[in-house]
Amino acid sequence: AQSVTQLDSQVPVFEEAPVELRCNYSSSVSVYLFWYVQYPNQGLQLLLKYLSGSTLVKGINGFEAEFNKSQTSFHLRKPSVHISDTAEYFCAVTQLRGSSNTGKLIFGQGTTLQVKP
Amino acid sequence: DAGVTQSPTHLIKTRGQQVTLRCSPKSGHDTVSWYQQALGQGPQFIFQYYEEEERQRGNFPDRFSGHQFPNYSSELNVNALLLGDSALYLCASSFQGAGNTIYFGEGSWLTVV
Repeated sequence: AQSVTQLDSQVPVFEEAPVELRCNYSSSVSVYLFWYVQYPNQGLQLLLKYLSGSTLVKGINGFEAEFNKSQTSFHLRKPSVHISDTAEYFCAVTQLRGSSNTGKLIFGQGTTLQVKP
Repeated sequence: DAGVTQSPTHLIKTRGQQVTLRCSPKSGHDTVSWYQQALGQGPQFIFQYYEEEERQRGNFPDRFSGHQFPNYSSELNVNALLLGDSALYLCASSFQGAGNTIYFGEGSWLTVV
């Protein structure tokens, strides 16, 4: 079984400062990794995903994440945040079946990013 | 190109009632999954439909059932509603295959009173 732990429930940061949202996962099989963002009263939007290849993944809105297999981590980073980045961020994994994505996402509890002026 | 669309956006039901939520997947997608997101929590997988069959199921009771139609749209049915069923219900769609992105709808807010 897979599990995802997001190590910080809330991360307050000032505008234009860098930020890191931490995510660790547990799985006995190969997985794909994702970060989603959820703005208030909205659904989930994909920020980025890691399938294979380069461990540094770039996503939308200036976010990037680094896959670390030895530490089973997939931390999300942004060098300079904006007020508009205030939202809930979810890390998720999905198990591979052969080479295919099973489509079942296991989510962490979420991290609230609060960007202050 | 419309994304994943869900209806209704909000609804209020009484304990013991039944509810049906609907989802139209993104154009070209053949797989639909449903998630329950309680307040302050991450989404939890309910089940997945592909080729009109339930392919995977999460840890949810039989009160939760679903259906997928030939046009790939889907319904989530919840019977004998409990107060604890109050949540945001998210529909997600994708195309079967390696690494394909899973897209989410805006969700249906269900309040059970």
